[in-house]
Amino acid sequence: EAGVTQFPSHSVIEKGQTVTLRCDPISGHDNLYWYRRVMGKEIKFLLHFVKESKQDESGMPNNRFLAERTGGTYSTLKVQPAELEDSGVYFCASSYLAGAVDEQFFGPGTRLTVL
Amino acid sequence: SQQGEEDPQALSIQEGENATMNCSYKTSINNLQWYRQNSGRGLVHLILIRSNEREKHSGRLRVTLDTSKKSSSLLITASRAADTASYFCATDGDDKIIFGKGTRLHILP
Repeated sequence: EAGVTQFPSHSVIEKGQTVTLRCDPISGHDNLYWYRRVMGKEIKFLLHFVKESKQDESGMPNNRFLAERTGGTYSTLKVQPAELEDSGVYFCASSYLAGAVDEQFFGPGTRLTVL
Repeated sequence: SQQGEEDPQALSIQEGENATMNCSYKTSINNLQWYRQNSGRGLVHLILIRSNEREKHSGRLRVTLDTSKKSSSLLITASRAADTASYFCATDGDDKIIFGKGTRLHILP
């Protein structure tokens, strides 16, 4: 069974540009989560989808970040315009059940570098 | 707010030695997990210990949990070069995972 996949694995962009990260969850997992680790800091929760609906987006840092999950399958996280402090690793995770934090499966992450 | 906090922030040991990392947290938990992140790679789930458990083993990993002190430790025995990575403790917060800042472990040849 395929795990959670993320694309791209690395992205280098200039300040002010737009970047879109993609996450494909494990098939059948209604719950999809985005996390990020900014350099030297802890991994922080960004938001949680249940199917196509945003269940919790309390971790989204500001309105430069837009997450979508049309159709309840894959999700995209767009950063527009990107700032230097957005550099870090963005992780996606999915789970079959909500609330079962021990059942969240993580993708390999996308390393974003904003110059 | 940050839940887990690892100690030390960085640790360098000789290959073959044991590595111990500690984690403290603030609120009550249902379970605590440890993850590893190799440089430039994704998160790997290592082990989960539930709040009613005190100790758990998985291969060269040993995790303890003291809910009265709100702390956990991760012991890696007989360390190898491939163990060089960042290690995070994580606790459950509603539906999301709350991570600490991590311990950077470096295994010296």
